[in-house]
Amino acid sequence: EVQLVQSGAEVKKPGESLKISCKASGYNFNNFWIAWVRQVPGKGLEWMGINHPGDSDIRYSPSFQGQVTISADESMNTVYLQWSSLRASDTAMYYCARRSEVMGHGVDVWGKGTSVTVSS
Amino acid sequence: SSELTQPPSVSVSPGQTARITCSGDALAKLYAYWYQQKPGLAPVLVMYKDTERPSGIPGRFSGSSSDSGTIVTLTISGVQAEDEADYYCQSSDSSGTYWVFGGGTKLTVL
Repeated sequence: EVQLVQSGAEVKKPGESLKISCKASGYNFNNFWIAWVRQVPGKGLEWMGINHPGDSDIRYSPSFQGQVTISADESMNTVYLQWSSLRASDTAMYYCARRSEVMGHGVDVWGKGTSVTVSS
Repeated sequence: SSELTQPPSVSVSPGQTARITCSGDALAKLYAYWYQQKPGLAPVLVMYKDTERPSGIPGRFSGSSSDSGTIVTLTISGVQAEDEADYYCQSSDSSGTYWVFGGGTKLTVL
């Protein structure tokens, strides 16, 4: 079964760093793009960036460029999203999502999401 | 412009037809994708490449595109209570590595 398993909920203080993860299984990790999508409570979906683990190609949304870092560890079949200094406005649910290669560029697999709360 | 515009809300009675639109200049050249999101859950793909339905999605879901191609519509025929959810359209550039989501439409089944 193809799965994306995300790390658990986090509660952090402003200014702290954070790295959340998304572990892939059930398919060839290097062959698919994995994206990160943010959802602020009560709001819509926002695309943050996308990573192709096979060739380390990473693209960022202009809205998130410089604010977060996306990376991958092929040995762990895992992609990461990290912040060096969190803000209260980073409070949101973060989803990782696999881009399909047979259904156009739609997402065929979603992680369950990682809740990040930033509060003093 | 790469923006996608959706109506904030659509309301229909059970058994009626719900139509949710997504508009944007980019849609004239690029495909649209539709996701259903229920409270507390991750989104689910319900339509891809404007009109294609993924396996497992009920046949009452269909997609279409306007003549100009700048408006795509997700149609749910014979709406059921379980269809109440938020619906998001999404598109991407030709390489599929630059995405944009619409603002989402809350479908209420009266």
